[in-house]
Amino acid sequence: QKEVEQNSGPLSVPEGAIASLNCTYSDRVSQSFFWYRQYSGKSPELIMSIYSNGDKEDGRFTAQLNKASQYVSLLIRDSQPSDSATYLCAVNPWQAGTALIFGKGTTLSVSS
Amino acid sequence: DTGVSQDPRHKITKRGQNVTFRCDPISEHNRLYWYRQTLGQGPEFLTYFQNEAQLEKSRLLSDRFSAERPKGSFSTLEIQRTEQGDSAMYLCASSLASQGGTEAFFGQGTRLTVV
Repeated sequence: QKEVEQNSGPLSVPEGAIASLNCTYSDRVSQSFFWYRQYSGKSPELIMSIYSNGDKEDGRFTAQLNKASQYVSLLIRDSQPSDSATYLCAVNPWQAGTALIFGKGTTLSVSS
Repeated sequence: DTGVSQDPRHKITKRGQNVTFRCDPISEHNRLYWYRQTLGQGPEFLTYFQNEAQLEKSRLLSDRFSAERPKGSFSTLEIQRTEQGDSAMYLCASSLASQGGTEAFFGQGTRLTVV
């Protein structure tokens, strides 16, 4: 059973702080990893993808991947109230293969 | 708008009725996915197509559910004899298959309420 695990939260951070969201996955052969942001009542929006070990930065977002530990994280710097949402971790079990497996998501609340 | 489009956005139906949803993917995308999401859960995979071929179907998917993508463009998801447990957001996503990975983009979703 391929699984993606996330802490459901809520994770509460003050405005301007760094939010750290974590995800672990069970399938060792997974090759592609994604973070989606989902506002209440809306559909998921892709914000980051990462395929290689290490860090990938895009604006205020940094994705980190450690395949040996089967761990992927998302850092949000200078958190804003508009970042308050549920963040979904998604894993592709096979390279360019089957469909994404999603975690249950972590709810982030940024207070002003 | 060149994103993934789903229709209808909302559907209320009586238990036992059949419903059909439509998804129009991003035009150059060859992969199309259907997911279902309930409150507090992540999207749950239902099925996916590459072009017109249905390549994978969740083992959890009841035989009341069927999906088609007849010409490799738009797709339909039909639920027969709906049950209250079918109430959920039905999400469609599309991607362009490549060796580098498969970034999938979601439509707005169809919210189904079975009464």
